Amino acid sequence: NAGVTQTPKFQVLKTGQSMTLQCAQDMNHNSMYWYRQDPGMGLRLIYYSASEGTTDKGEVPNGYNVSRLNKREFSLRLESAAPSQTSVYFCASREEGGQPQHFGDGTRLSIL
Amino acid sequence: LAKTTQPISMDSYEGQEVNITCSHNNIATNDYITWYQQFPSQGPRFIIQGYKTKVTNEVASLFIPADRKSSTLSLPRVSLSDTAVYYCLVALNSGYSTLTFGKGTMLLVSP
Repeated sequence: NAGVTQTPKFQVLKTGQSMTLQCAQDMNHNSMYWYRQDPGMGLRLIYYSASEGTTDKGEVPNGYNVSRLNKREFSLRLESAAPSQTSVYFCASREEGGQPQHFGDGTRLSIL
Repeated sequence: LAKTTQPISMDSYEGQEVNITCSHNNIATNDYITWYQQFPSQGPRFIIQGYKTKVTNEVASLFIPADRKSSTLSLPRVSLSDTAVYYCLVALNSGYSTLTFGKGTMLLVSP
């Protein structure tokens, strides 16, 4: 039982490059989330998907796009990476009905 | 979304009981209180969740007074491995509700 799997675990990009962060969950959860965490900060919500086929903006959506490919997968895309997007990115999923979110172990992204 | 306030850091020693208090003065009637734990290089991990009074599981206890404007996470007999950041969150407990993370409390447990 893998839970929430994120790939890659580490990535270094140059400014202006594009990149897609992958997330997959095997718990049959309806809702999925993307967060970013900067040093000394809590997590900030980028986008979320309440169910397959729907996506909504969170607190910090600018510079990102998402795709809910199917119930299992929720990807985050940086079209033109900027140094301000250097961060650790966490994906999470949640079953409806009051269950807690389950998090992956993150993707550490550096943009030079 | 209800804003939460918790201490930035706390220190303890192995074997002691640790209580981390979180204030959430603007908690709404339908909000639940949830605590997560995060180790370095890992995603947050759910610890405990409650609505009122006391909740206990194998890891921790959560105390919530009648007015629900604060809550206290209690960790019994901490060990070095409990060194982590602890987040208190308040959110609706239904559907796809989103979570708002603050900076959390950095708990350092020493020998």
